[in-house]
Amino acid sequence: DVKVTQSSRYLVKRTGEKVFLECVQDMDHENMFWYRQDPGLGLRLIYFSYDVKMKEKGDIPEGYSVSREKKERFSLILESASTNQTSMYLCASSNTELSSYEQYFGPGTRLTVT
Amino acid sequence: KNEVEQSPQNLTAQEGEFITINCSYSVGISALHWLQQHPGGGIVSLFMLSSGKKKHGRLIATINIQEKHSSLHITASHPRDSAVYICAATANTDKLIFGTGTRLQVFP
Repeated sequence: DVKVTQSSRYLVKRTGEKVFLECVQDMDHENMFWYRQDPGLGLRLIYFSYDVKMKEKGDIPEGYSVSREKKERFSLILESASTNQTSMYLCASSNTELSSYEQYFGPGTRLTVT
Repeated sequence: KNEVEQSPQNLTAQEGEFITINCSYSVGISALHWLQQHPGGGIVSLFMLSSGKKKHGRLIATINIQEKHSSLHITASHPRDSAVYICAATANTDKLIFGTGTRLQVFP
């Protein structure tokens, strides 16, 4: 079974703090994604990565950065957390070689910025 | 207008009822996904289809490519089916385009 894990289920941070959200997948997938999910807006893509050290902006990259130093790990960084970044953050991975486009999701991190 | 639209946004049902959730899309797609998200956040993939119909237990997903429409049906609904159901499309890339989800509550 594909397993995607995220470093925390719940996180509370203060405005201005630097926040790291970690995601690890154990199936050697090339593609990894970070989403945020907000009521009424659904899932929105923040950043994605097709390979180590590669990153592409998604639909809402402002205020975020990412790092992919190893194939299995994709980190989302909030350089200076703000209250409007309070949200559920979901990581996912997929394998292009299967040409299936199916994504496997982690359990999510519910971030509260106060 | 979103590229992937779902209806209804919220749905309540009595145990045993037949449930239908609809999804319409305005882009050319290579695959249509149905996802389930239980309270607590984790998302699992239920179906991925590009034509016809797929069935898994009490769940059935259909797609009509000409009409750009897909439906998710749940037969003999049960309270454990209560979740958010999300429709998503891929258009020849690895990126998913999501609908905003349908919150289903099934009461005993």
